[in-house]
Amino acid sequence: SQQGEEDPQALSIQEGENATMNCSYKTSINNLQWYRQNSGRGLVHLILIRSNEREKHSGRLRVTLDTSKKSSSLLITASRAADTASYFCATDGITFGKGTHLIIQP
Amino acid sequence: EAGVAQSPRYKIIEKRQSVAFWCNPISGHATLYWYQQILGQGPKLLIQFQNNGVVDDSQLPKDRFSAERLKGVDSTLKIQPAKLEDSAVYLCASSSRPTYSGNTIYFGEGSWLTVV
Repeated sequence: SQQGEEDPQALSIQEGENATMNCSYKTSINNLQWYRQNSGRGLVHLILIRSNEREKHSGRLRVTLDTSKKSSSLLITASRAADTASYFCATDGITFGKGTHLIIQP
Repeated sequence: EAGVAQSPRYKIIEKRQSVAFWCNPISGHATLYWYQQILGQGPKLLIQFQNNGVVDDSQLPKDRFSAERLKGVDSTLKIQPAKLEDSAVYLCASSSRPTYSGNTIYFGEGSWLTVV
């Protein structure tokens, strides 16, 4: 069974807007990782947040982690057309959710 | 640095036939993973190796799937006999150490399997 569940399943926004997607999980974790997958390609690691961290930044990405609620969020600021992809959270980098399909409209 | 190499990229077989996928991880990476990704879903871990030993194969359908990593480097995943529901992308990935310790997983481009 899949541990992480992303929400929403699909998201369509205008270029330049911010995109937020959420991930919920069920059991305790050591870390939570976010990945991007472009259509027909492999997954690319975006960012890792450890269980003792609450927030982490990397360029236009901001990730938060709330272990009490067993949830995480990924914020992409100032979206670009190239951000169009599916985004997955993975607990301990292994158990993936079903993903959020993000479409950035020019 | 070369990435994770997989072959073949695409394969079409008839049900009940067999198929094998090959993976060469990033040099020096001790941990190797095989995932199955069905269209529209997230990857599902099939098997995880640490060097040439199996760490987790709890979701591997062992009646038809097998995997080996004999010398602790490259790996093969075999399906025999294939079923229609095995149609998926098979992703190989590697990391220098297990990801629960915070190491990044690097994925290959995947092997696309269609069973007809």
